Amino acid sequence: ELKVEQNPLFLSMQEGKNYTIYCNYSTTSDRLYWYRQDPGKSLESLFVLLSNGAVKQEGRLMASLDTKARLSTLHITAAVHDLSATYFCAVMLRGGSQGNLIFGKGTKLSVKP
Amino acid sequence: DTAVSQTPKYLVTQMGNDKSIKCEQNLGHDTMYWYKQDSKKFLKIMFSYNNKELIINETVPNRFSPKSPDKAHLNLHINSLELGDSAVYFCASSAVVNSNQPQHFGDGTRLSIL
Repeated sequence: ELKVEQNPLFLSMQEGKNYTIYCNYSTTSDRLYWYRQDPGKSLESLFVLLSNGAVKQEGRLMASLDTKARLSTLHITAAVHDLSATYFCAVMLRGGSQGNLIFGKGTKLSVKP
Repeated sequence: DTAVSQTPKYLVTQMGNDKSIKCEQNLGHDTMYWYKQDSKKFLKIMFSYNNKELIINETVPNRFSPKSPDKAHLNLHINSLELGDSAVYFCASSAVVNSNQPQHFGDGTRLSIL
């Protein structure tokens, strides 16, 4: 059974600081997704990582994937209040349940002035 | 234009009732999904349909029955609602079942059982 673990689950940071959210998964997969969810809102796709060594950047967020270590990171640079949200990583299963996304528990990020 | 739309947005009802949630996507996607997000924000897949046919049915009580009249719609009917069914239900879609592209999510239906 594929398990996806994120840490930390809660992150309180000050504006201007850097931090990294980690996403570990337990079985082989080469497709990893990062989503953002604002309180009471839908999930917004941030990044799609499809191969080992993939790195994508959008604004203050950068995501990477190491399929050998089964690890993805979401790095936040010089955080601003607008980045406060819950961030989910999700891994797509291979094999019989193709298309089935397994989500981590989410990292609730709070950026304070 | 809304890509994945769900109705209703809020649903408050009593235990034992039967209710339905509707989902429609205008993206031309072949695959649609239902997810449940519990009070701790944990998201879990419930069902997946590809071109009107069921392809994933996770461990979900048979009180939950999805119906796909066409590939643009995936509705969720719930019989004999229980307290534990209180959650946010998200509909999502993707171009094909194994798409590299991300799944697109609706705004969610907040179901509260009294």
